[in-house]
Amino acid sequence: QVQLQQSGPGLVKPSQTLSLTCAISGDSVSSNSAAWNWIRQSPSRGLEWLGRTYYRSKWYNGYALSVKSRIIINPDTSKNQFSLQLNSVTPEDTAVYYCARSAPYVDYWGQGTLVTVSS
Amino acid sequence: QSVLTQPPSASGTPGQRVTISCSGSSSNIGRDYVNWYQQFPGTAPKLLIYRNNQRPSGVPDRFSGSKSGTSASLAISGLRSEDETDYYCAAWDDTLSGWVFGGGTKLTVL
Repeated sequence: QVQLQQSGPGLVKPSQTLSLTCAISGDSVSSNSAAWNWIRQSPSRGLEWLGRTYYRSKWYNGYALSVKSRIIINPDTSKNQFSLQLNSVTPEDTAVYYCARSAPYVDYWGQGTLVTVSS
Repeated sequence: QSVLTQPPSASGTPGQRVTISCSGSSSNIGRDYVNWYQQFPGTAPKLLIYRNNQRPSGVPDRFSGSKSGTSASLAISGLRSEDETDYYCAAWDDTLSGWVFGGGTKLTVL
């Protein structure tokens, strides 16, 4: 059974960096058949895919156009986890953030982290 | 504005059959599978239907999915009070190179 455990702060100041981590159990971040995603949900934007990282003999990343200039998703093979960095946040980035596995469809989700962007 | 279009609400009485539609385009539903999720308040979405019409283990056969062209549907038969919650469709979009979602349908059991 795959489990995804999220961690990270729930409050970030405007213009600063949002950082979240997703620890994986029951699978490997280096799996050749899975991708590791970040998805957020807010009343104004609904469910919005932000990006993913995956390993197919080498590491690949893919990001949504809406955040492409501000986002980094990194795998950490030593801890079997992956992370989200979203730079220069504004109040519009306030949302519940989820990590999720896709293999090939999105099947397992983390518990969600409400991140509020406010001074 | 979500890429996939769902009705914001649906309703039915216990025992009834209800359907929820999901409309997309040739770059998502038209060329890839549709997945459906059920989400209760304060919790993460749960996979309900994958690859258009497949149920994960543990999902009752009251839930079924179908796809035709650039549209898909989720059907719930024998409606029960515990089915009252939000439902989302999703598909991979080849043009956007990412997952796209519907805006969600809130199901009310009258």
